[in-house]
Amino acid sequence: DTAVSQTPKYLVTQMGNDKSIKCEQNLGHDTMYWYKQDSKKFLKIMFSYNNKELIINETVPNRFSPKSPDKAHLNLHINSLELGDSAVYFCASSPRQGHSYEQYFGPGTRLTVT
Amino acid sequence: ILNVEQSPQSLHVQEGDSTNFTCSFPSSNFYALHWYRWETAKSPEALFVMTLNGDEKKKGRISATLNTKEGYSYLYIKGSQPEDSATYLCALKYGGSQGNLIFGKGTKLSVKP
Repeated sequence: DTAVSQTPKYLVTQMGNDKSIKCEQNLGHDTMYWYKQDSKKFLKIMFSYNNKELIINETVPNRFSPKSPDKAHLNLHINSLELGDSAVYFCASSPRQGHSYEQYFGPGTRLTVT
Repeated sequence: ILNVEQSPQSLHVQEGDSTNFTCSFPSSNFYALHWYRWETAKSPEALFVMTLNGDEKKKGRISATLNTKEGYSYLYIKGSQPEDSATYLCALKYGGSQGNLIFGKGTKLSVKP
């Protein structure tokens, strides 16, 4: 039973394309996140959603648009992909937003833009 | 810009050695400190969430302490085993319950049998 799943695991695409990464959690959590692991290997928060509502939107280009159709899903759509978007993207979830709950991470999606 | 610093960057120990590493963070606006264990080709897994100054948490051979006034946390591993080999990340939650997690770069631990 995979708690937080992401698809696809690998994504290779060309500059200018539009692509989506899907994330699903079966933990019944209220809060979901998207992180980007940058070239220096830091995990950086991109977005946070609580009960399908956007809570955090860090300084991320508006080519990145998260969509949460329900509490269990937080998908990441990226328009007009650029070379600098190549990275590993991690989805995560936590039980609540309003307390110091640990986060549960998905396996990551390695995006390569050529 | 808030920085979370971890040291050392990497560590090589022999099986059976005990080891520890440090996470340093700005003490203002502290809300919580998370520790995660990240094995190669897997996802980060939570070890501890610590919120109070003087907190000590333990899970098996791994324990952590927290000093929010001086802005540091230590992670200890007693009697390291090869399966402890992983990158250990700390992350600072600041600015309240809706604040972000800011991750350090991690300490990569290798335990030789």
